[in-house]
Amino acid sequence: EDKVVQSPLSLVVHEGDTVTLNCSYEVTNFRSLLWYKQEKKAPTFLFMLTSSGIEKKSGRLSSILDKKELFSILNITATQTGDSAVYLCAVTEETSGSRLTFGEGTQLTVNP
Amino acid sequence: NAGVTQTPKFQVLKTGQSMTLQCAQDMNHEYMSWYRQDPGMGLRLIHYSVGAGITDQGEVPNGYNVSRSTTEDFPLRLLSAAPSQTSVYFCASSYGGRGAEAFFGQGTRLTVV
Repeated sequence: EDKVVQSPLSLVVHEGDTVTLNCSYEVTNFRSLLWYKQEKKAPTFLFMLTSSGIEKKSGRLSSILDKKELFSILNITATQTGDSAVYLCAVTEETSGSRLTFGEGTQLTVNP
Repeated sequence: NAGVTQTPKFQVLKTGQSMTLQCAQDMNHEYMSWYRQDPGMGLRLIHYSVGAGITDQGEVPNGYNVSRSTTEDFPLRLLSAAPSQTSVYFCASSYGGRGAEAFFGQGTRLTVV
């Protein structure tokens, strides 16, 4: 059974801090790892990683995947109050199409 | 540009009642799925479909039925609602190809009393 574990489960920081969110996984035939941001409503897509060691970057957010050690990190630099959200990590398998297996999520709160 | 549309946004049911949650997408996506989200448990897959006429069970299928008669629509039926089905339900769709990300609807908050 596929398993995704995120840590920490919650995190409170001040504006301007840098945060690192962790996602480890156990998947039989790994295909991809995805990060989503969820603010109140629907999860919105951030990154998809399929190759190890390649960093995906968008503004202050970046993510890297380590397929050997089976984990990914999501970094947010110079945090803003608008970054407050639940960050979800999910994986897909080669044999199960686009099925997503999610972790529990990390609740990030950025205080002014 | 509608994307994935879910209705209703909120619903209160009595135990034993049945209802259908609607989901429609206008992106011609092959793959559609239903998730439920409960506190501390992330999103869990209920049922999914890889194309019209094809459905399969996910992680937590009991108490739910689905059908996929068209590419656009993927309704989720609760047969006899139970308090344990109180949750937020999300419908998602994707191209179904290699590594395609899923697009989510805005969710349905369901309370069963």
